[in-house]
Amino acid sequence: AQKITQTQPGMFVQEKEAVTLDCTYDTSDQSYGLFWYKQPSSGEMIFLIYQGSYDEQNATEGRYSLNFQKARKSANLVISASQLGDSAMYFCAMREGRGYKLSFGAGTTVTVRA
Amino acid sequence: DAGVTQSPTHLIKTRGQQVTLRCSPKSGHDTVSWYQQALGQGPQFIFQYYEEEERQRGNFPDRFSGHQFPNYSSELNVNALLLGDSALYLCASSSAKSGTANYGYTFGSGTRLTVV
Repeated sequence: AQKITQTQPGMFVQEKEAVTLDCTYDTSDQSYGLFWYKQPSSGEMIFLIYQGSYDEQNATEGRYSLNFQKARKSANLVISASQLGDSAMYFCAMREGRGYKLSFGAGTTVTVRA
Repeated sequence: DAGVTQSPTHLIKTRGQQVTLRCSPKSGHDTVSWYQQALGQGPQFIFQYYEEEERQRGNFPDRFSGHQFPNYSSELNVNALLLGDSALYLCASSSAKSGTANYGYTFGSGTRLTVV
């Protein structure tokens, strides 16, 4: 079974508008971490935001916020005030329990229009 | 402060050949993980090295092997290359002292391997 599901292959967003990227996850562990990464065409994975399974508050990092709904097993990324430089591939990932690997979704391509 | 450095950036190999990819972790990091990212897909975990030993392995055949050196740098070796091994290979480093939580993973820009 897929650990991470990202159902939006691609999205267009107008500059300065907000965009929400969907992510659902599947785990039986009580302790897990959820990550969002940005991958521009250069290939490097850039860390954006992290949410721990026991964190009660939704994580925020500048223009990025994570809408964590534990019961629904969803961890959607919200990018506010989109900029042209936000155009990239975005990946949701999960680390389970005491494991070391990250399981990634298939990604969502975001294109910001001027 | 240098981040994760990978070499080479691009590589073309022939089916059946062997390849070695290299990774230098971020300063202060002692753990290295390798991921394979096929075109249009998310990265898949290959393995992680810590204290010069393979600590966890993903679902990859034995053709994929690795090594970690005392200076924490790492190599990924792939034998008997197949066309399906064509991918971007990403290295990620982290610090065992900080645990595996939150923002510990720093990725390099990857090595793009093409098998012809």
